[in-house]
Amino acid sequence: GAGVSQSPSNKVTEKGKDVELRCDPISGHTALYWYRQSLGQGLEFLIYFQGNSAPDKSGLPSDRFSAERTGGSVSTLTIQRTQQEDSAVYLCASSHKFITGTGPYNEQFFGPGTRLTVL
Amino acid sequence: AQKITQTQPGMFVQEKEAVTLDCTYDTSDPSYGLFWYKQPSSGEMIFLIYQGSYDQQNATEGRYSLNFQKARKSANLVISASQLGDSAMYFCAMREGDGGTSYGKLTFGQGTILTVHP
Repeated sequence: GAGVSQSPSNKVTEKGKDVELRCDPISGHTALYWYRQSLGQGLEFLIYFQGNSAPDKSGLPSDRFSAERTGGSVSTLTIQRTQQEDSAVYLCASSHKFITGTGPYNEQFFGPGTRLTVL
Repeated sequence: AQKITQTQPGMFVQEKEAVTLDCTYDTSDPSYGLFWYKQPSSGEMIFLIYQGSYDQQNATEGRYSLNFQKARKSANLVISASQLGDSAMYFCAMREGDGGTSYGKLTFGQGTILTVHP
């Protein structure tokens, strides 16, 4: 079956431009997570979706970052007025809804990531 | 304070030997899960093994086992009979559960690069 897919795989943009990163989760997974992996910061949580709502946006680094999810499926992470420090690999993961105590049933499956380079 | 600490930036092991990758964690939540992921040079994150905080036995998955010492808050990954294909970055991660508000997000350590020599 299809795993999590992300597009584009690579994105090079100029400072100040807006970018959109897309994530297609595994069919049937209601939970979707965005993480960022950068050299200095490791892997950081950005935002969590359950269905179309985002109950946890605590990891978004600034108001230039936003995300939405439509139809309980595809999610888009938008970065406005990109800065050089936004350069990183943006990873998307999906899982069944997290329920405390249900163990690896809630394993997160990761996509291949989008490598963003801001010049 | 770091919630997940991986103190070994890099590790080397000879093919067919065993290697232990260290991970310590910090949480006050009695319910949590510990994960290990492998990230090869291709960049994908591959789930390896899971240990729940209430699990009585150490988790095992093929050549992977997790040495879980709850009192010491450590969750070391043991890879037995290393293979060249095991060369990758390895991440320890924790998921805290507190009745729903954690939402299952993972907190990752800084990772350990494992190199397997022939």
